[in-house]
Amino acid sequence: GAVVSQHPSWVICKSGTSVKIECRSLDFQATTMFWYRQFPKQSLMLMATSNEGSKATYEQGVEKDKFLINHASLTLSTLTVTSAHPEDSSFYICSARGSRTSDTDTQYFGPGTRLTVL
Amino acid sequence: AQSVTQLGSHVSVSEGALVLLRCNYSSSVPPYLFWYVQYPNQGLQLLLKYTSAATLVKGINGFEAEFKKSETSFHLTKPSAHMSDAAEYFCAVSFRGSASKIIFGSGTRLSIRP
Repeated sequence: GAVVSQHPSWVICKSGTSVKIECRSLDFQATTMFWYRQFPKQSLMLMATSNEGSKATYEQGVEKDKFLINHASLTLSTLTVTSAHPEDSSFYICSARGSRTSDTDTQYFGPGTRLTVL
Repeated sequence: AQSVTQLGSHVSVSEGALVLLRCNYSSSVPPYLFWYVQYPNQGLQLLLKYTSAATLVKGINGFEAEFKKSETSFHLTKPSAHMSDAAEYFCAVSFRGSASKIIFGSGTRLSIRP
């Protein structure tokens, strides 16, 4: 149980285009999902917290107009990188908070999406 | 302020040797503590977690960690390293009422020598 998927696993795009990354909880409902960014050989940086049916909460320094987050259902959250530039190239990882009362303190992570902007 | 510190960005052990990855936390409230493992180009997999029950927590793949409040530590151990244990390991902390936000340590890369 508690499986989270991401699609695509990798994407290459041209500078100026937009890219959408999907995060799905496959066997549980997730009212809260999280989006992280990870640079090579570094830890995860929380970008935003996504709550189903409401606006995402962005961390300080993260541009909400550039990184659009939508959490339209209990099993799907999307991150859209708008007008991508080479500096947006990174590994993006989502996670979903456990849904059972005994498990809401735990985050389950997706496999990540490697974004390369040319 | 809450934080987590992993001592040693890189640890190398021989196959069959004891694995010890160190993690210390700073918190003014009781923490939840986690160890995650990340293989290259993959997401994070939960190894084990402490949520105020037993202080010695057993996880997957033979790993375990002990919560020591007096030392504010949550070190990860495995009695006998296997080649497949080579990966990046992250210690993390969250707190009740924090909306499940997790604070990650900087990570420790574990290498296994044949």
